[in-house]
Amino acid sequence: KAGVTQTPRYLIKTRGQQVTLSCSPISGHRSVSWYQQTPGQGLQFLFEYFSETQRNKGNFPGRFSGRQFSNSRSEMNVSTLELGDSALYLCASSFRTSDYYNEQFFGPGTRLTVL
Amino acid sequence: AQKVTQAQTEISVVEKEDVTLDCVYETRDTTYYLFWYKQPPSGELVFLIRRNSFDEQNEISGRYSWNFQKSTSSFNFTITASQVVDSAVYFCALSGMNRDDKIIFGKGTRLHILP
Repeated sequence: KAGVTQTPRYLIKTRGQQVTLSCSPISGHRSVSWYQQTPGQGLQFLFEYFSETQRNKGNFPGRFSGRQFSNSRSEMNVSTLELGDSALYLCASSFRTSDYYNEQFFGPGTRLTVL
Repeated sequence: AQKVTQAQTEISVVEKEDVTLDCVYETRDTTYYLFWYKQPPSGELVFLIRRNSFDEQNEISGRYSWNFQKSTSSFNFTITASQVVDSAVYFCALSGMNRDDKIIFGKGTRLHILP
């Protein structure tokens, strides 16, 4: 079956702009998590959505937001971009049963560059 | 607070050598999950293993093996007879077992397998 897809793969924006990233999970997966990866901070959890509800949130400012649609596709939005937001943004989906942390399947990421 | 330390930032070994990647974690939880992920140059994280804290059995999967020692809070990963395709960044991660718990990643170890 198809893997996790993320669009766009690359994005260049300028400071102050806003950006929306998209993630389509594996069919049947209802949980979508977002991560930011930078050389300095490594992989940091942004938030998780399950059945259109934000279930968990990392320590990021309110400029970072997300949502999930009824088909489990998720979008992440960053407003008022800063240079430090330049990163690889990874999306992961999982089936999420009663066994809390199922295996997460990651997408290829969106590389965001803020100039 | 939870923390994952991968002290080895970068390792280079010659093909066919064995290599061990270290992972030390800190948590106050009595039950938790530990993970290893591989990130090849393509960028997608690939799930390798998940371990429950109450299961200290070592695991072997082909050329990969994992040594979980609760007494030293370590979850080390060994690749036997390394191959060039093993070149990647490897992440160790930790999560509690409660619904609100986030997954915490180490900074990663970049592994170079030299032909």
